[in-house]
Amino acid sequence: QVQLVQSGAEVKKPGASVKVSCKASGYTFTSYGISWVRQAPGQGLEWMGWISAYNGNTNYAQKLQGRVTMTTDTSTSTAYMELRSLRSDDTAVYYCARALGVRGSSSSLGGYWGQGTLVTVSS
Amino acid sequence: EIVMTQSPATLSVSPGERATLSCRASQSVSSNLAWYQQKPGQAPRLLIYGASTRATGIPARFSGSGSGTEFTLTISSLQSEDFAVYYCQQYNNWPRSTFGQGTRLEIK
Repeated sequence: QVQLVQSGAEVKKPGASVKVSCKASGYTFTSYGISWVRQAPGQGLEWMGWISAYNGNTNYAQKLQGRVTMTTDTSTSTAYMELRSLRSDDTAVYYCARALGVRGSSSSLGGYWGQGTLVTVSS
Repeated sequence: EIVMTQSPATLSVSPGERATLSCRASQSVSSNLAWYQQKPGQAPRLLIYGASTRATGIPARFSGSGSGTEFTLTISSLQSEDFAVYYCQQYNNWPRSTFGQGTRLEIK
């Protein structure tokens, strides 16, 4: 069965960086894209970006351009999301989600989700 | 950026009754619209994609409709497990997408 297991909670100081991992199993990793979505406490869902696990192509939300980098390691079937220059409003639960389909518009759909990683930014 | 607006923010409905949730896009997204359910402490779950196609394992009481800029999620007969927050997501310019702010469905 498809599983996405994320790394544990992090506490960071403003200005620091965080790198969240998302280890996939139960399917061919390179066949599906991975989206990253975050959710601030008590707030809604925010799309952060997407990476193709096939060729590493990325697409980031405009507001995060320059601060976020998404990568994959196909040897370990793991996706990573790094966010730099952290601010207090980056405090959120960060989710990875595997695409529903292998191509086309279904690449954007979160068919399977990780359990979420709480990142707290506080001085 | 396409802005998604959901209404109402909170909907109070009795078990067994019908719930109708709305989502409006700031410009046409064709049928590239999905709905998710999220319960407290859990990751979102995909319910509907392509505006009206139920995801695998989703009960038939969930249905989606609409195209262009106006979309509706209907839950025909509310069960206790359906009380949650619902989000719409547009993916017209995939892989880019945006979510609505959510509708909280609560027990009346």
